[in-house]
Amino acid sequence: EVQLVESGGGLVQPGGSLRLSCAASGFTFSRYWMNWVRQAPGKGLEWVANIKEDGSAKYYVDSVKGRFTISRDNAKNSLYLQMNSLRAEDTAVYYCARDVVPLFWGQGTLVTVSS
Amino acid sequence: QSALTQPASVSGSPGQSITISCTGTSSDVGSYNLVSWYQQHPGKAPKLMIYEVSKRPSGVSNRFSGSKSGNTASLTISGLQAEDEAEYYCCSYTGSSISVVFGGGTKVTVL
Repeated sequence: EVQLVESGGGLVQPGGSLRLSCAASGFTFSRYWMNWVRQAPGKGLEWVANIKEDGSAKYYVDSVKGRFTISRDNAKNSLYLQMNSLRAEDTAVYYCARDVVPLFWGQGTLVTVSS
Repeated sequence: QSALTQPASVSGSPGQSITISCTGTSSDVGSYNLVSWYQQHPGKAPKLMIYEVSKRPSGVSNRFSGSKSGNTASLTISGLQAEDEAEYYCCSYTGSSISVVFGGGTKVTVL
């Protein structure tokens, strides 16, 4: 069974940093593109970033370019999102999702950016 | 990276059929058979209902079906049930910077 478990969310002040993690199991992690998708309170889904199977290609939505970095460790079956220079508008539930067009999703982790 | 266009809300009575549209462009929906649909209940993670335009994952009711014509994809729910009341999102591969784009979501209400 495919499982994706996010962690690392929490309350952070504007301008601060946070690192999200996603632990994958139930499939061969190194064979799949992975995504981060977020959902602000009361809003719709927004794709944030994705990363190729071997980590050689990474893509971002314009609003996070230069601030967020997606990475992966295939030996640890883990996906990461380093978030720097956080803004109030980054407040959202962040989901880890498998496949270029997401098929499997985690349960999400809440990031709140507030002073 | 413009969002796909979905109606804000659709409603129907139990047993009826409803269809949710998802309009994109020739750069996303129109060019790739990589459209997915998700159901989301309040406070829950999205659940995959349809992938690759019309394929249904194991465990999803056959009351859910997907199709595409030109730049518009559609999700049809037949035999509407109370449990179908939820938010529905479409998603398409764009081919641009190997990214994906979501629709704004459609609230389905069972009358």
